[in-house]
Amino acid sequence: AQSVAQPEDQVNVAEGNPLTVKCTYSVSGNPYLFWYVQYPNRGLQFLLKYITGDNLVKGSYGFEAEFNKSQTSFHLKKPSALVSDSALYFCAVFTGGGNKLTFGTGTQLKVEL
Amino acid sequence: NAGVTQTPKFQVLKTGQSMTLQCAQDMNHEYMSWYRQDPGMGLRLIHYSVGAGITDQGEVPNGYNVSRSTTEDFPLRLLSAAPSQTSVYFCASSHVGPPTGLDEQYFGPGTRLTVT
Repeated sequence: AQSVAQPEDQVNVAEGNPLTVKCTYSVSGNPYLFWYVQYPNRGLQFLLKYITGDNLVKGSYGFEAEFNKSQTSFHLKKPSALVSDSALYFCAVFTGGGNKLTFGTGTQLKVEL
Repeated sequence: NAGVTQTPKFQVLKTGQSMTLQCAQDMNHEYMSWYRQDPGMGLRLIHYSVGAGITDQGEVPNGYNVSRSTTEDFPLRLLSAAPSQTSVYFCASSHVGPPTGLDEQYFGPGTRLTVT
């Protein structure tokens, strides 16, 4: 079985400050990890993925994520938050050869002036 | 490319009615899937397909049927709507290939369904 946990329902950060949205996973096998963002009344948009290689993955809109195998984590980060980053963020995982992507429950990011 | 399209955008059903949510993609993706999104529960996989003629169940398949007669289309049928099926439904598609199988998924804009 595979699962994803996003321990924070909401993260608040001031514009210009760094942000972190947390994600931990559980899989039997190699994990393939994704971050998606959802703006109000829209579908999900792909941000970045970890397949293999460098533990630091860079994605769209200045976001990056760090894969940590020992802590089974894949936290999303951005050095300087923008108000326009305010949205719902989802972490997702599957294992190689599998056909089912498992999503976390989502973290609402609110960036304030 | 239109990407992934879904119709309708909104729908209200009475308990016991049936309907079909339409999903189409023009990216020649092998993999298509249906999710439902409920507050506090994230996205849950209903059914998926790895190619025309092949479908399988996801996490919450009860009350839903799918078929995949073409690469482009993947309709979701609600057989007898229940209030518990009130949700936002998303269709997604993805390329399948080495080294991982699934790749990033492209999502449609969603269908907001209310069952009274």
